[in-house]
Amino acid sequence: DGGITQSPKYLFRKEGQNVTLSCEQNLNHDAMYWYRQDPGQGLRLIYYSQIVNDFQKGDIAEGYSVSREKKESFPLTVTSAQKNPTAFYLCASSRTFGSYEQYFGPGTRLTVT
Amino acid sequence: AQSVTQLGSHVSVSEGALVLLRCNYSSSVPPYLFWYVQYPNQGLQLLLKYTSAATLVKGINGFEAEFKKSETSFHLTKPSAHMSDAAEYFCAVSVSTGNQFYFGTGTSLTVIP
Repeated sequence: DGGITQSPKYLFRKEGQNVTLSCEQNLNHDAMYWYRQDPGQGLRLIYYSQIVNDFQKGDIAEGYSVSREKKESFPLTVTSAQKNPTAFYLCASSRTFGSYEQYFGPGTRLTVT
Repeated sequence: AQSVTQLGSHVSVSEGALVLLRCNYSSSVPPYLFWYVQYPNQGLQLLLKYTSAATLVKGINGFEAEFKKSETSFHLTKPSAHMSDAAEYFCAVSVSTGNQFYFGTGTSLTVIP
């Protein structure tokens, strides 16, 4: 089955620790995205990548970092600089950047205490 | 620039009643429009999309949406609500390749038995 996997489903970390969220897709899509979702705020774009070895900041990139060394993988690191990291994180991909629909993974709920 | 507005962050309907979720967009060029559904603690699932073909678009689970250029709207409807329709619904807009996807803030649908 083609799709997007995110792991783990739930993640707990202590304040001050960096944590990396995994996102893998086997849809052969060029573009990948990371969103943050907080109650009542919809989806906010953290980073996106149009193609391998390229990525761009989204609307709320501060405190986050990404890499895109392989077409199928787009890991997100939540650093200790992110002031409010507790949230639901969604990874998505699309055939190309922009017009085509995005497909979403199941999400990772990160809790930092 | 383009954007999307969802009127009503919370909508309640009785089981069997009409579902109407509102979405208005703004775009200087012909848009692509999408509706997604999200169940608790899950990723987003594409319900339907408008990509400049037929203005009335049919999606999964009995949902449909009509693109009305004169009203800049893309409202989502379902003739008869089912308990399983209770979820968060997001409208999204995009334009030609190379441009960003924009999501609305979401509408939470409650179905009353």
